[in-house]
Amino acid sequence: DAGVIQSPRHEVTEMGQEVTLRCKPISGHNSLFWYRQTMMRGLELLIYFNNNVPIDDSGMPEDRFSAKMPNASFSTLKIQPSEPRDSAVYFCASGAQRERETQYFGPGTRLLVL
Amino acid sequence: AQSVTQLGSHVSVSEGALVLLRCNYSSSVPPYLFWYVQYPNQGLQLLLKYTSAATLVKGINGFEAEFKKSETSFHLTKPSAHMSDAAEYFCAVRRGAGSYQLTFGKGTKLSVIP
Repeated sequence: DAGVIQSPRHEVTEMGQEVTLRCKPISGHNSLFWYRQTMMRGLELLIYFNNNVPIDDSGMPEDRFSAKMPNASFSTLKIQPSEPRDSAVYFCASGAQRERETQYFGPGTRLLVL
Repeated sequence: AQSVTQLGSHVSVSEGALVLLRCNYSSSVPPYLFWYVQYPNQGLQLLLKYTSAATLVKGINGFEAEFKKSETSFHLTKPSAHMSDAAEYFCAVRRGAGSYQLTFGKGTKLSVIP
């Protein structure tokens, strides 16, 4: 069974550019989470979807960040415009209804904004 | 609000020695507690979880953790460290009854000395 798939694995961009991170959750999972990991702040939950609907986006840093989940097998996290302080590793995780307390993480996207 | 505190950001043990990683929790509801492991340049992987059943929980790779309500602790142990155990370990707690969301600790980096 394929795990959570994220793309790209690495992204280097210049300040002001738009960045789009992609996630394919595990098939059959109905919850999806976007996290950001930095040395200073650790692992932060940005947004959480259940059945493709955003439930809690209180962790989204500011309006430059947006996330969508158009269907059960795809989600995007977009940063526009990007800033150097957005440099981090972004993780996507998914979970199943029958095991709602367990999250399965993707390998992450390492973002560097110059 | 539910939270976890991991004592010690870095722990070093000799190969073959006992591994003990400490986690204390704060929760206003019966907690669900988790330990995740992150190997370099990878996503988080679930080691084990406590969901109010047996207080001694066995996980993968020989790890186990004991839920102690009186001490509000959920420490992770392994009798004999292996070089492959070198990684960062995160303790997490479910945010609330019925919640899908987790709050993670800051992490403990485990080094294993040959």
